[in-house]
Amino acid sequence: GAVVSQHPSWVICKSGTSVKIECRSLDFQATTMFWYRQFPKQSLMLMATSNEGSKATYEQGVEKDKFLINHASLTLSTLTVTSAHPEDSSFYICSAPYGNEKLFFGSGTQLSVL
Amino acid sequence: AQSVSQHNHHVILSEAASLELGCNYSYGGTVNLFWYVQYPGQHLQLLLKYFSGDPLVKGIKGFEAEFIKSKFSFNLRKPSVQWSDTAEYFCAVSPGGGNKLTFGTGTQLKVEL
Repeated sequence: GAVVSQHPSWVICKSGTSVKIECRSLDFQATTMFWYRQFPKQSLMLMATSNEGSKATYEQGVEKDKFLINHASLTLSTLTVTSAHPEDSSFYICSAPYGNEKLFFGSGTQLSVL
Repeated sequence: AQSVSQHNHHVILSEAASLELGCNYSYGGTVNLFWYVQYPGQHLQLLLKYFSGDPLVKGIKGFEAEFIKSKFSFNLRKPSVQWSDTAEYFCAVSPGGGNKLTFGTGTQLKVEL
């Protein structure tokens, strides 16, 4: 069945470095992907919607220059956290719609910034 | 902006006990409602969803949920839980048929043998 593959599962980085997270749709094409973030004991919050071939749409309060999203192909969307700081430590997860009624999620990436 | 509240953050049950997890949302218009489950080490998976029609929806693994419009609620139920139901459960809402979801904070369910 349709699956969304997300890598890496976890990453530890130094403050000031950039981290790239990849999300691939397997066995289906995803013109749209959604990126969520979850801080401890809080809800999954939608950060942005990536669109293949066009600019991503960011939710209010999300810095587009800090969270760079690239949807270069119909199966790949990437989220790059630039100049990461400890407050960016969080759980990041992507999802891709399949048809009209299904949404498949990646397994998530736990980012820890030291 | 819409919000989703899940009242129980941690629930511990014995096998065969009945389960009800609360979910309330705040949004005045038409909504689609979802329950997702995340088993340890696995992806988020859809348990069940409500778009329209019968407000009592049945999902996988014996779960069901009832949409009560007047109470803005979509509680998840299972008559008899199993140890394998240990997981985190998320309620989610999307306004008017879109794919953008607003999630609750999740409920961690632990089922003991």
